[in-house]
Amino acid sequence: QVQLVQSGAEVKKPGASVKVSCKASGYTFTNFFIHWVRQAPGQGLEWMGWINPHSGGTDYAQKFQGRVTMTRDTSISTASMDLSRLTSDDTAFYYCARESGYQTHFDYWGQGTLVTVSS
Amino acid sequence: QLVLTQSPSASASLGASVKLTCTLSSGHSSYAIAWHQQQPDKGPRYLMKVNSDGSHIKGDGIPDRFSGSSSGAERYLTISSLQSEDEADYYCQTWGTGLWVFGGGTKLTVL
Repeated sequence: QVQLVQSGAEVKKPGASVKVSCKASGYTFTNFFIHWVRQAPGQGLEWMGWINPHSGGTDYAQKFQGRVTMTRDTSISTASMDLSRLTSDDTAFYYCARESGYQTHFDYWGQGTLVTVSS
Repeated sequence: QLVLTQSPSASASLGASVKLTCTLSSGHSSYAIAWHQQQPDKGPRYLMKVNSDGSHIKGDGIPDRFSGSSSGAERYLTISSLQSEDEADYYCQTWGTGLWVFGGGTKLTVL
């Protein structure tokens, strides 16, 4: 069965960077895009961008351009999201999600990773 | 601008049915959407994709109690025979060229 398993919770200081990973199993990793979505406490879902695991190509939401980097390691079927210059506004759950096809919906989600930014 | 609008809250009694609505912004009434459920303290779970003609494709293991439909710019999620575990936040999602958008979510309370 398809599974996306994310890395554990992180606590970071303002100005630092964080890297969250997402390990895929149960399907061919390079056949489906991986997206990243975040959810601040008590808030809704916010799309951050995607990575094509086959080519390594990426596209980021305008809000995060210059601050986010998405990478993948096909040898271990893992996608990662790096967010830099953290502020308290970046405190949120971060989710990876698999895109079902091309330019379409997400059909599987990771369990989420809580990133807390605090001095 | 591609925007999805959802009512912030809804409620219905145990065993009853409820219909949640997601409205596409002007000029986007032909777009498909997806529904995702987020139970308390859990990550989102894909429920189904709903096309503009009302056809829908459910995710793995989604009960028959969940169904989707469409009318114009509105996309619906109907849950019948409500159970306590259906109390959750429900988000709709759509996509355009290089852009993915979520509605603000509807918090469903099962009375």
